[in-house]
Amino acid sequence: QVQLVQSGAEVKKPGASVKVSCKASGYTFTGYYMHWVRQAPGQGLEWMGWINPNSGGTNYAQKFQGWVTMTRDTSISTAYMELSRLRSDDTAVYYCARSVVAGSRYDYWGQGTLVTVSS
Amino acid sequence: DIQMTQSPSSLSASVGDRVTITCRASQSISSYLNWYQQKPGKAPKLLIYAASSLQSGVPSRFSGSGSGTDFTLTISSLQPEDFATYYCQQSYSTLGFTFGPGTKVDIK
Repeated sequence: QVQLVQSGAEVKKPGASVKVSCKASGYTFTGYYMHWVRQAPGQGLEWMGWINPNSGGTNYAQKFQGWVTMTRDTSISTAYMELSRLRSDDTAVYYCARSVVAGSRYDYWGQGTLVTVSS
Repeated sequence: DIQMTQSPSSLSASVGDRVTITCRASQSISSYLNWYQQKPGKAPKLLIYAASSLQSGVPSRFSGSGSGTDFTLTISSLQPEDFATYYCQQSYSTLGFTFGPGTKVDIK
């Protein structure tokens, strides 16, 4: 069955970077886009961008351009999201989710990774 | 960017009630509208895609309608497991697949 399994919770200091992984199984990793969505405590969902695991091409939300990097390792069916220059308001749960094409529904989601930014 | 709004922001309802949630886009998004359900501490779950298509495995009491800028999610008979927060999302603009702010459905 399709599974997206994310890495564990992280605690980072302001100004540091964090890299969250999302390991896919149960389907052809390169056949689906991978999106990243975050949710601050008690807040709504915020789309960050996507990566095409087949080509490595990316599309980031304007807010995150220059600040987020999405990569993948097709040999281990894993997508990564790295956020740099962390601030306290980057404290959130970060989700990966797949879609068959870029502008499509997210039918499977990872379990979420809590990133806490605190001095 | 396309802005998404939802109304109401929250509602209280009883088991068996018919519930309707509205989502509006700041410009036409055709039928590129998805609905998700999220329970506390869990990842969102896809309910409806392309405005009115029911995701596999989702109960038929959930339905969606609309096109252009105005969309509706309807729960025909609210069940105990439906108490959650519901989000719409546009998948039309590659500049950003924005979500609505959410509608929390709780028990009256």
